Amino acid sequence: KAGVTQTPRYLIKTRGQQVTLSCSPISGHRSVSWYQQTPGQGLQFLFEYFSETQRNKGNFPGRFSGRQFSNSRSEMNVSTLELGDSALYLCASSLLGSGANVLTFGAGSRLTVL
Amino acid sequence: GEDVEQSLFLSVREGDSSVINCTYTDSSSTYLYWYKQEPGAGLQLLTYIFSNMDMKQDQRLTVLLNKKDKHLSLRIADTQTGDSAIYFCAEDLSYNTDKLIFGTGTRLQVFP
Repeated sequence: KAGVTQTPRYLIKTRGQQVTLSCSPISGHRSVSWYQQTPGQGLQFLFEYFSETQRNKGNFPGRFSGRQFSNSRSEMNVSTLELGDSALYLCASSLLGSGANVLTFGAGSRLTVL
Repeated sequence: GEDVEQSLFLSVREGDSSVINCTYTDSSSTYLYWYKQEPGAGLQLLTYIFSNMDMKQDQRLTVLLNKKDKHLSLRIADTQTGDSAIYFCAEDLSYNTDKLIFGTGTRLQVFP
């Protein structure tokens, strides 16, 4: 069974540009969540999608957005990039049952903003 | 409030036991988790414990939960060099959501 696939793995952008990151969940997983990891702030929750609907959003500015498609694949977009947006962006998928939230993470997309 | 704290570093000799500690502030957690992150990789779930349990053992891993003190620990027996990684504890605040609050991470270094 393939894991969570994130593309691209590495990218470099300049301030003011925008970026789109993609995440393909494990087959059968309908819930996808995104996290930002930085040395200063650690791991912070961005948003969560289930059946194409955003269920939860973290405390990030409106420049951060996302969506989920009918095949459960998800994308996140960051517009008007700032230096502080340099981070590892992690996507996770789950079955979202009534028990423990067992998240399977992808390897991440490392974004560098110059 | 949502705040999860861990010590930054832990260094142990190969073959010894490692104990990684975590404190959290929100008492409404349903489950608490331990994740491992190796260089250049995402997070890998190691184990989790239901908030009504005190202890859970899974092979070399033992999780202890003191809900009164809001303290969680992960003990790794017979620590190996392959255990060198960053370890994160995390809590969820409700069922039916994938939003986890992660700790600051503890870098475990195992030396021969």
